[in-house]
Amino acid sequence: DSGVTQTPKHLITATGQRVTLRCSPRSGDLSVYWYQQSLDQGLQFLIQYYNGEERAKGNILERFSAQQFPDLHSELNLSSLELGDSALYFCASSVGSGRGGYTFGSGTRLTVV
Amino acid sequence: DQQVKQNSPSLSVQEGRISILNCDYTNSMFDYFLWYKKYPAEGPTFLISISSIKDKNEDGRFTVFLNKSAKHLSLHIVPSQPGDSAVYFCAASATFGSSNTGKLIFGQGTTLQVKP
Repeated sequence: DSGVTQTPKHLITATGQRVTLRCSPRSGDLSVYWYQQSLDQGLQFLIQYYNGEERAKGNILERFSAQQFPDLHSELNLSSLELGDSALYFCASSVGSGRGGYTFGSGTRLTVV
Repeated sequence: DQQVKQNSPSLSVQEGRISILNCDYTNSMFDYFLWYKKYPAEGPTFLISISSIKDKNEDGRFTVFLNKSAKHLSLHIVPSQPGDSAVYFCAASATFGSSNTGKLIFGQGTTLQVKP
């Protein structure tokens, strides 16, 4: 157990639907990062939050949004889902800037049918 | 635009031998590099890192080498063990003034198989 909790572990939904992925960071960590791993691809950075505020943005689609709540947990919202959104979505956390590396959760596998 | 590349999708080595995983990068602003290991159904776990002010960092059986002029880093595992079989990702980050976000750019990964 890494200390980073992601729910749900698996999610199957239809095209056009909206889903919410949840992440609870490791205790004491203020930064949360979201990454997407599609088939045969590396981890693509989506977005980072630090203590409730957006810190950095990657190639995140406009259909996707995220937020970090006062208790530091984070949610990634994916809407108008397409088949190509099927992927593993990882959340990671770090104390500060993450220069020393992140701690990853075990991921949410999203399947869009 | 793939700023971090792992050109070998897979590597197979015999137990006890050396495993060498390679990674190339294009962004000269990267100043911190990390290797992560990932087992199936788990998230990546941090393995070892190196700052651009160094050219080598060692931790037990794992050594990372950095060649800045070639924009190349490698991970050496000696001796390799069957439990090392996993996907290995290299990652890089850059410090942009005082606003370093810690965002990591990952390569596509190399699947290492260590045969008993």
